[in-house]
Amino acid sequence: QKEVEQNSGPLSVPEGAIASLNCTYSDRGSQSFFWYRQYSGKSPELIMFIYSNGDKEDGRFTAQLNKASQYVSLLIRDSQPSDSATYLCAVKMNRDDKIIFGKGTRLHILP
Amino acid sequence: EPEVTQTPSHQVTQMGQEVILRCVPISNHLYFYWYRQILGQKVEFLVSFYNNEISEKSEIFDDQFSVERPDGSNFTLKIRSTKLEDSAMYFCASKGRNSNQPQHFGDGTRLSIL
Repeated sequence: QKEVEQNSGPLSVPEGAIASLNCTYSDRGSQSFFWYRQYSGKSPELIMFIYSNGDKEDGRFTAQLNKASQYVSLLIRDSQPSDSATYLCAVKMNRDDKIIFGKGTRLHILP
Repeated sequence: EPEVTQTPSHQVTQMGQEVILRCVPISNHLYFYWYRQILGQKVEFLVSFYNNEISEKSEIFDDQFSVERPDGSNFTLKIRSTKLEDSAMYFCASKGRNSNQPQHFGDGTRLSIL
């Protein structure tokens, strides 16, 4: 059974601080990793994707991947109240077409 | 920016009735998907579609479900005889030519079965 695990939270972070969201996955064959943001009642919105070990930065967001530890994380710098949402980690195996989602981590930015 | 569009935004249907959910993927995308999210639960894969045929489906996607791409733009999900447990948000997604590209999601259809 291929699993993607996330702490459900809520994770409370003061405005302006760094929010750190973590995700582990069970299948070593996983090749592509995605972070989606989902506001309540809305659809998943792509934030970042990463394929190679290391860091990938895009504006205030940094995705980090460690395939040896089967671990992927998302850092949000200078957190804003509008960042308050559920963050979904999603993983795609090389052979499969589907992506498998974690349950998501609820992030709450405190003004 | 191009987007995936879904209609209707909310569908209310009596149990046992057929329902068709519609999606217009991003125009130059080749891979199409349906996912669902039961309230309070995670997003679950239903089916993927490529080159006019199903490429992968989950255990959820049983004989009551079908997908179709009737023309060059629409991608539909049909549930033949709805059950109470089919109540969920249904998301359509599409992806470009490279199989490793990310999937982009539509706004979803909230399906309520009475």
